[in-house]
Amino acid sequence: DADVTQTPRNRITKTGKRIMLECSQTKGHDRMYWYRQDPGLGLRLIYYSFDVKDINKGEISDGYSVSRQAQAKFSLSLESAIPNQTALYFCATSDTMGREQYFGPGTRLTVT
Amino acid sequence: AQSVTQLGSHVSVSEGALVLLRCNYSSSVPPYLFWYVQYPNQGLQLLLKYTSAATLVKGINGFEAEFKKSETSFHLTKPSAHMSDAAEYFCAVSDIGNNDMRFGAGTRLTVKP
Repeated sequence: DADVTQTPRNRITKTGKRIMLECSQTKGHDRMYWYRQDPGLGLRLIYYSFDVKDINKGEISDGYSVSRQAQAKFSLSLESAIPNQTALYFCATSDTMGREQYFGPGTRLTVT
Repeated sequence: AQSVTQLGSHVSVSEGALVLLRCNYSSSVPPYLFWYVQYPNQGLQLLLKYTSAATLVKGINGFEAEFKKSETSFHLTKPSAHMSDAAEYFCAVSDIGNNDMRFGAGTRLTVKP
């Protein structure tokens, strides 16, 4: 079984809809991250969490919110989706030392 | 804040030829540096990392990279390309605490038979 899982893997939604992307990990890591990937831009950090009570904004947090329900679960929400949020979204985890991040398989989100 | 520049969004080599993917970083403090590979429809997989130990870092699948502080570079190399190396490669930099990892735009490697 994969260490970092993301659901759904693909999602098409309409402008203005609320959508939640979920991430679960079995690595026992404290730190979790959400990134989005756009062609030609690499990955950009949306939010990160060092533990259940510690959530921080990343480089591009506007239009997104997150929830850390447990050590193993970190959800990303788009309150009112817009077309320029169409992207590939990745969840990642790392241990307390933070020397390496482990990535999930990604969620491809399309907003029409 | 640290940043990464990958020179060349696309690199094409013949099977058996040298692979060289370029990465330059900017950081005000000694950084951690990483190379990740992304195969189609998959997440990112760590190839190798530099965390202030040996400057020549060996990774998986025959890849290696050398940290050159004077050139602020961390180029990725492989002596002989294989068809299975075709993928997108990302260089990344972070500070000691890794709370803000910055990725380059990526380099897509094509391997011709």
